[in-house]
Amino acid sequence: AQSVTQLDSQVPVFEEAPVELRCNYSSSVSVYLFWYVQYPNQGLQLLLKYLSGSTLVKSINGFEAEFNKSQTSFHLRKPSVHISDTAEYFCAVSHASGGSYIPTFGRGTSLIVHP
Amino acid sequence: ETGVTQSPTHLIKTRGQQVTLRCSSQSGHNTVSWYQQALGQGPQFIFQYYREEENGRGNFPPRFSGLQFPNYSSELNVNALELDDSALYLCASSLAASSWFFGPGTRLTVL
Repeated sequence: AQSVTQLDSQVPVFEEAPVELRCNYSSSVSVYLFWYVQYPNQGLQLLLKYLSGSTLVKSINGFEAEFNKSQTSFHLRKPSVHISDTAEYFCAVSHASGGSYIPTFGRGTSLIVHP
Repeated sequence: ETGVTQSPTHLIKTRGQQVTLRCSSQSGHNTVSWYQQALGQGPQFIFQYYREEENGRGNFPPRFSGLQFPNYSSELNVNALELDDSALYLCASSLAASSWFFGPGTRLTVL
């Protein structure tokens, strides 16, 4: 079985400051990793994903995440946040092969950007 | 190309009633999954359908059931509603295992 741990339930940060949202996973097989964002009263939007290849993946709005197999982590970072980044962020894992392709989600991290 | 749509957006029911939630998959997507997201929690997998057959189920009782239709739209049915069923219900569709597209959700309140 696979699982995801998001260590921080809430991360407050000031505008233009850097931020890191932590995600650790457990799985006995190779994985796909995802970060989704959820704005208030909306569904989930895919922010970025790691499937294979380069361990550093980037989104179009400045977020990036690095797959670290030895530490079983996929932390999300942004060098300078905006007020509009305030949202709930979910890390998810699925099996790349030999198991379930159905994503398992963490409990989420609420990013709160203060002016 | 339209995205994943869900209806209704909000719903209020009382304990013991039955509810049907609907999802229209993204065009061409043959796989649909349903998730329950309780307040302050991450989405929990309910079940998945692939070409009209259920091919995966999470830890939910049999009163949660579903259907997928030939046009790949789907339904989630919940019988004998309980207060704890109050949640946001999300539908996601996929054509490939690495890409899931979520709908906006249906907010169900059970009184």
